[in-house]
Amino acid sequence: GEDVEQSLFLSVREGDSSVINCTYTDSSSTYLYWYKQEPGAGLQLLTYIFSNMDMKQDQRLTVLLNKKDKHLSLRIADTQTGDSAIYFCADDDTDKLIFGTGTRLQVFP
Amino acid sequence: SQTIHQWPATLVQPVGSPLSLECTVEGTSNPNLYWYRQAAGRGLQLLFYSVGIGQISSEVPQNLSASRPQDRQFILSSKKLLLSDSGFYLCALVGDREYYEQYFGPGTRLTVT
Repeated sequence: GEDVEQSLFLSVREGDSSVINCTYTDSSSTYLYWYKQEPGAGLQLLTYIFSNMDMKQDQRLTVLLNKKDKHLSLRIADTQTGDSAIYFCADDDTDKLIFGTGTRLQVFP
Repeated sequence: SQTIHQWPATLVQPVGSPLSLECTVEGTSNPNLYWYRQAAGRGLQLLFYSVGIGQISSEVPQNLSASRPQDRQFILSSKKLLLSDSGFYLCALVGDREYYEQYFGPGTRLTVT
């Protein structure tokens, strides 16, 4: 079956850039997504990228997509303590999304 | 705008007891609805999804079941809870099937003792 994988943890200093990586197996995805989950809450969509794009920028967020390697990344510029959360990448399948395992981002002063 | 309600917010149940978690949505019609479970420190596990009333797809065989008696209501049930059923249960919807943004509810934290 389809699979989406992420590293489990990332720790960065406040003000630095964070890069969260994701690999996926489904070559027929139309969109790929990044979701954010704050403690004790549901997930919120951060951004998404259409599969025929290789980059999307949205304020402090930059999404890079390498379709050949099936690699997706999320870069957060000037990371703040409020960015501490779990970040999930996801790709679309018929009628549902396939989520990665989530990367816990910890931002320290 | 779309809103998802889940209740209860927290629940503590003994092993072997029944379970019923309810999810209702507003601000959309004919959505796809989803039940996920998130165990402590783990990723999301898709349990069930529904593309319409009475239509349920099960992703993981286990002692849970789901029903969709109305367009905007999705229910997760169990006849006998196991310790391994503990977790954070999230309901989600997709209203726009073009780009499949999922909206998540606030979740129910279930502890089975």
